Amino acid sequence: QKEVEQDPGPLSVPEGAIVSLNCTYSNSAFQYFMWYRQYSRKGPELLMYTYSSGNKEDGRFTAQVDKSSKYISLFIRDSQPSDSATYLCAMSAPAGGTSYGKLTFGQGTILTVHP
Amino acid sequence: DVKVTQSSRYLVKRTGEKVFLECVQDMDHENMFWYRQDPGLGLRLIYFSYDVKMKEKGDIPEGYSVSREKKERFSLILESASTNQTSMYLCASSSSNNYGYTFGSGTRLTVV
Repeated sequence: QKEVEQDPGPLSVPEGAIVSLNCTYSNSAFQYFMWYRQYSRKGPELLMYTYSSGNKEDGRFTAQVDKSSKYISLFIRDSQPSDSATYLCAMSAPAGGTSYGKLTFGQGTILTVHP
Repeated sequence: DVKVTQSSRYLVKRTGEKVFLECVQDMDHENMFWYRQDPGLGLRLIYFSYDVKMKEKGDIPEGYSVSREKKERFSLILESASTNQTSMYLCASSSSNNYGYTFGSGTRLTVV
């Protein structure tokens, strides 16, 4: 079983839809949770960064972390064609020992938003 | 604007060649990472380094080596390139007190 599971999709939605992207994980030591966006033929870029449980909002994007369920989500409101990309969840335990703050990534979800 | 720069966007090499992929960051980050990304397999960690001249194996180090002689530069070496090393290679860096990575744009390597 992978430490981080993410539905690879692909996910196709019409413009203006609310998008929900999700990851589950098994390592209870994870404390730092991130979402990356990767456009075609580009490197991933950090989209959202959350520590421990709770919600974080940035414009049309909301990240949620539920540590009791080992479940994280990214919501995109009023989705736009420019949101079409691969979204990767990532998480880390606190640095220490051999961890060095290494991120463990989900497989990535391919999202397409149609005009 | 902070950057991680990978020396080549596209490379084509022959089987058996020794291949060098270079990565430079200008953020004074302690940690640097090399990943490969393949469809259906996601990002897989090859090697990482948490300090100059230090290196640690990731999940798939076989067939690769790395070099970090200066803090800002982390090189990935394919000792004898094989067709199964055809992939997108991504370099990333992070600081010791922030867990977010900054990625380069990637090098798409084709081994023929």
